[in-house]
Amino acid sequence: GAGVSQSPRYKVAKRGQDVALRCDPISGHVSLFWYQQALGQGPEFLTYFQNEAQLDKSGLPSDRFFAERPEGSVSTLKIQRTQQEDSAVYLCASSLRQGDRNEQFFGPGTRLTVL
Amino acid sequence: ILNVEQSPQSLHVQEGDSTNFTCSFPSSNFYALHWYRWETAKSPEALFVMTLNGDEKKKGRISATLNTKEGYSYLYIKGSQPEDSATYLCAPRAGANNLFFGTGTRLTVIP
Repeated sequence: GAGVSQSPRYKVAKRGQDVALRCDPISGHVSLFWYQQALGQGPEFLTYFQNEAQLDKSGLPSDRFFAERPEGSVSTLKIQRTQQEDSAVYLCASSLRQGDRNEQFFGPGTRLTVL
Repeated sequence: ILNVEQSPQSLHVQEGDSTNFTCSFPSSNFYALHWYRWETAKSPEALFVMTLNGDEKKKGRISATLNTKEGYSYLYIKGSQPEDSATYLCAPRAGANNLFFGTGTRLTVIP
């Protein structure tokens, strides 16, 4: 079956440009997570959705970062006025339900490079 | 935020050698620990989800143990193969939701 997909796989943006990163979770998965992995670091939590509700956005580094999941399926992470420090791999993961010990299934990530 | 440490940061082994890595995490408020294997340009692949102190899990030549009281987990690879080359990430959870990842152990298996 289809796993988590993300698009684009690679994105190069000029500083100050807005970008939108898309995540298609596994069908039927209730929970959706966004993580950011900077070079040499482990992935760091950004935000979490349960269906369409954004229950935790404590990891978003600034108000330039915005995520949505309007119909409880596809999610978009938007970064406004990109800065060089936003360069990272952005990973999306989905899980069947909240509060479950089952694994989170990850997409391949979007590698964002801000020039 | 959980402080997660993985060691070593990188490792080169010869094909056929066995190896192991360590993941250390705070023992308080433990909920679960996940191990992932991440090859370049691919999705992180879930290896194990471990929840109970003393858990041991095995998948082929890879196995893992968990000690929640002292806050560590070991990942073992028996008879390493070149296809085992990847970054191995551990990620404990203090609650029901997000994972806290270590920086990973990058394994290179030399043919």
